[in-house]
Amino acid sequence: ETGVTQTPRHLVMGMTNKKSLKCEQHLGHNAMYWYKQSAKKPLELMFVYNFKEQTENNSVPSRFSPECPNSSHLFLHLHTLQPEDSALYLCASSQDRTDPGRLFFGEGSRLTVL
Amino acid sequence: AQSVAQPEDQVNVAEGNPLTVKCTYSVSGNPYLFWYVQYPNRGLQFLLKYITGDNLVKGSYGFEAEFNKSQTSFHLKKPSALVSDSALYFCAVRDGVGFQKLVFGTGTRLLVSP
Repeated sequence: ETGVTQTPRHLVMGMTNKKSLKCEQHLGHNAMYWYKQSAKKPLELMFVYNFKEQTENNSVPSRFSPECPNSSHLFLHLHTLQPEDSALYLCASSQDRTDPGRLFFGEGSRLTVL
Repeated sequence: AQSVAQPEDQVNVAEGNPLTVKCTYSVSGNPYLFWYVQYPNRGLQFLLKYITGDNLVKGSYGFEAEFNKSQTSFHLKKPSALVSDSALYFCAVRDGVGFQKLVFGTGTRLLVSP
C-alpha cells in the first residue's frame, strides 16, 4: 500500500468513448503526476500539478485532459483515443520540498483502446 | 535537458551471485539520481537515491548504488541476488535545482534464476 490509489485498474474503451481515470493520494503531498508506460519505452511524463496548478504539460495530445480539483485528487479525462494510446497510466505524488524526486506511485490503470 | 540511459534490456543472474544493473546519466547541473523497481502488475517503488555525500548509497532490500561523477554513472548493485529480485528496474535523474521533473530510463528487466 503506497498511499496512492488509482481507479479503475483496467479499462477497455472504444475510440469514440469518453472515460476518466482517477487518482487519490492520502500522503499529504503537494505534487501529483501522470505518467504513461508503454512497452520498451521510457516512462513518459504527461502532466505535473504542484499545489493544484499545472506546471508541466509534456506535449500531450488534447484528447487527454487532466483535472486537479485539490492536492489529493487527480483525474485524467479521455476522449476519442487512438489504439496507440493503449498503455499503463501511472499516477504518482511527491512532497518535493522535503524529499525531492521521491515519487510514490499508484498501481496503474491499464487502458486498452479498441 | 536531463536524460538517462540503461544500456541493457535484460540482465540474467543466478541466485546467490552478485548483480549489476547499469545506468548512465546526463544533466546540466548537480544530479539527483534514483532507482525504482516495478514488480509485475504494480506501480514503481522507490529503492534508493543519491543527492550528495557518499558515492555509495544503500537502499531497500539490500540494494546499493555507486555514483561515479567522472563516468556519469549510477549502477545498481546487490552482493547476492534473490529470485524475488526479478523485476523491472528504472534509473531516473533530475536536475537538482528547483522543482524539476524526474526523467526515467527505459528500464532493465532483471531475471534471477534459482
